[in-house]
Amino acid sequence: LAKTTQPISMDSYEGQEVNITCSHNNIATNDYITWYQQFPSQGPRFIIQGYKTKVTNEVASLFIPADRKSSTLSLPRVSLSDTAVYYCLESGGSYIPTFGRGTSLIVHP
Amino acid sequence: DVKVTQSSRYLVKRTGEKVFLECVQDMDHENMFWYRQDPGLGLRLIYFSYDVKMKEKGDIPEGYSVSREKKERFSLILESASTNQTSMYLCASSLARGLYEQYFGPGTRLTVT
Repeated sequence: LAKTTQPISMDSYEGQEVNITCSHNNIATNDYITWYQQFPSQGPRFIIQGYKTKVTNEVASLFIPADRKSSTLSLPRVSLSDTAVYYCLESGGSYIPTFGRGTSLIVHP
Repeated sequence: DVKVTQSSRYLVKRTGEKVFLECVQDMDHENMFWYRQDPGLGLRLIYFSYDVKMKEKGDIPEGYSVSREKKERFSLILESASTNQTSMYLCASSLARGLYEQYFGPGTRLTVT
């Protein structure tokens, strides 16, 4: 069963910044937090991973507070092509990766 | 470039048939996974394997079995297909145990009639 909690859906408009927050109430000390993106009719693909504080790559930023009970995926200036389902999961300590239902992001023109 | 391939994109089978879904990865990864994805339920792990001839049950193994005779190939078997196994099946691989990212195949949409 998924250990994380995230909103089922979100709506945004092109050019806006989108923040998707995930709850990690039972995260283990040696777990990392990983986010995946899935487009329709495709398998998920890795976006970003972190343990604490902030991680940034060419696609997104990941913010993890000191208590690690939550994480926030930040997508700057979204476009229509960012419409997808986004999954957060904990990995590393708990070996079995559990995806859950994800957040369906719809970007409007 | 990393690649995970699945034997079919679309498959239609009849109730009671034995079904084989094949997955091949070319990255020399140790771990391989089978998920099913249904609307509103996200991805659910069926089985995974961390080595040749090794397998572990995931969250929903009932009605499925797996085979991993070679490192690059992981097969999902439906011994007697049922209509409630109509779903999208996704295969993935990762380098090793732990936090390594998973690479997914394109998926097989299986319909059991």
